[in-house]
Amino acid sequence: DGGITQSPKYLFRKEGQNVTLSCEQNLNHDAMYWYRQDPGQGLRLIYYSQIVNDFQKGDIAEGYSVSREKKESFPLTVTSAQKNPTAFYLCASSRLNTGELFFGEGSRLTVL
Amino acid sequence: GQQLNQSPQSMFIQEGEDVSMNCTSSSIFNTWLWYKQDPGEGPVLLIALYKAGELTSNGRLTAQFGITRKDSFLNISASIPSDVGIYFCAGDSYNAGNNRKLIWGLGTSLAVNP
Repeated sequence: DGGITQSPKYLFRKEGQNVTLSCEQNLNHDAMYWYRQDPGQGLRLIYYSQIVNDFQKGDIAEGYSVSREKKESFPLTVTSAQKNPTAFYLCASSRLNTGELFFGEGSRLTVL
Repeated sequence: GQQLNQSPQSMFIQEGEDVSMNCTSSSIFNTWLWYKQDPGEGPVLLIALYKAGELTSNGRLTAQFGITRKDSFLNISASIPSDVGIYFCAGDSYNAGNNRKLIWGLGTSLAVNP
C-alpha cells in the first residue's frame, strides 16, 4: 500500500547529540515537508522540498538540517544547535501545488 | 510565522451532540482544508475547499469556504466517541509561479463523553 513512513516512532537522546529522523514515501509525491508540533502550538514548518536536491527553510529552521537526495526520502537531522529539541516531529508529502498533505505517524523525540 | 485564528480552542461534548468550529484570517486564501489528528498520530485530511462559498460534506462532516475567502467552518453532526481528536484548519494562498506553504490554525481539541 502507498503511504509515508517515519522512523523511529520514539527516540531518546542525550543533550548535545545530533539525531536523524527518517521519512520515506512511496506515493510518488514531489513535495515533502517537516513539521514540529508542541502542545498548544499547532504545526510549525521546519523545512520543505519540492524537488530532488532542493529544499527551503520554513518558519523554524534554525538548529535543523535536511537533505533530498532521492524523491522518496527526506531525512531531518536535529542538531545540537537546536535549543529545545524535545517535540513531536511530523513528515508529510503532497503533489506539487496543493495543500492536500499526507502525514506520517510522527516521531517523538525526547532529549534528556 | 502567520497563523489562523481557530476557535474554540477545546470542546467537551456529549455523544450525539453537534459540533461547530471555525477559522478566520486577515488574509485571503484560495483553498481551505480541515485535518483531524488522533492522539499520537499524524493529521489526516478530512475536507478540502477550493471555491468561495463552497459547501462540502464528508459523511457527518460539513465544511464551508467563507464568501469573503477569509474564513471557514467545520460542523460535525451526531458526534460519536471516535470523533475525539484535534481538528486543524489550514489555508493555502498559492498562486501559480509562487512558492507557497500552508498556514495552520492552532487546533480545536474535541472530547466526546459517551
